[in-house]
Amino acid sequence: GAVVSQHPSWVICKSGTSVKIECRSLDFQATTMFWYRQFPKQSLMLMATSNEGSKATYEQGVEKDKFLINHASLTLSTLTVTSAHPEDSSFYICSATRTGQVQETQYFGPGTRLLVL
Amino acid sequence: DAKTTQPPSMDCAEGRAANLPCNHSTISGNEYVYWYRQIHSQGPQYIIHGLKNNETNEMASLIITEDRKSSTLILPHATLRDTAVYYCIVQNYGGSQGNLIFGKGTKLSVKP
Repeated sequence: GAVVSQHPSWVICKSGTSVKIECRSLDFQATTMFWYRQFPKQSLMLMATSNEGSKATYEQGVEKDKFLINHASLTLSTLTVTSAHPEDSSFYICSATRTGQVQETQYFGPGTRLLVL
Repeated sequence: DAKTTQPPSMDCAEGRAANLPCNHSTISGNEYVYWYRQIHSQGPQYIIHGLKNNETNEMASLIITEDRKSSTLILPHATLRDTAVYYCIVQNYGGSQGNLIFGKGTKLSVKP
């Protein structure tokens, strides 16, 4: 149990276009999902926390108008990178915690590799 | 900044136990110790967590010192597929606020 999927697994886009990444919890309900970003040879950095039915909470330095997050159901959160630029090229990873779990272990998706040309 | 310190890299022979240390000297009473690993180009994988008692599951054992200032993750019989970066993280009890702060971890290389 506790499987999280992401789609697409990789995407290449032109500068200025928008890209949507989906994060799904396949076998559990997730009230809270998280979005991380990882640049080459660096560790994961939290971008935002997404709660079902409410606005996401963004970490300092992350532009909420550029990285749009929607958590419309208990099994799906989406991250849209708007007007992508080459510096947005990165490995985007989501995680989810089970609804109702007392100690909230995060289960991670496989990641989405974004390359902006 | 991460609240943990780990050696940057370790080697282990296939079939032997891998013992990965972690220092968390500033851990507070309501913080758990979590271990995740990240195999190259994949998302992190949850391994184990504990508060103060030693824990064991199908993947690994977690040994936490009595003062909780350090811990050791033990992979009892390492295989080549265990080659990964291992992250030791402290997290608040009931911490749904995304406060998983990833440090640089330990790059474990399992060699034949």
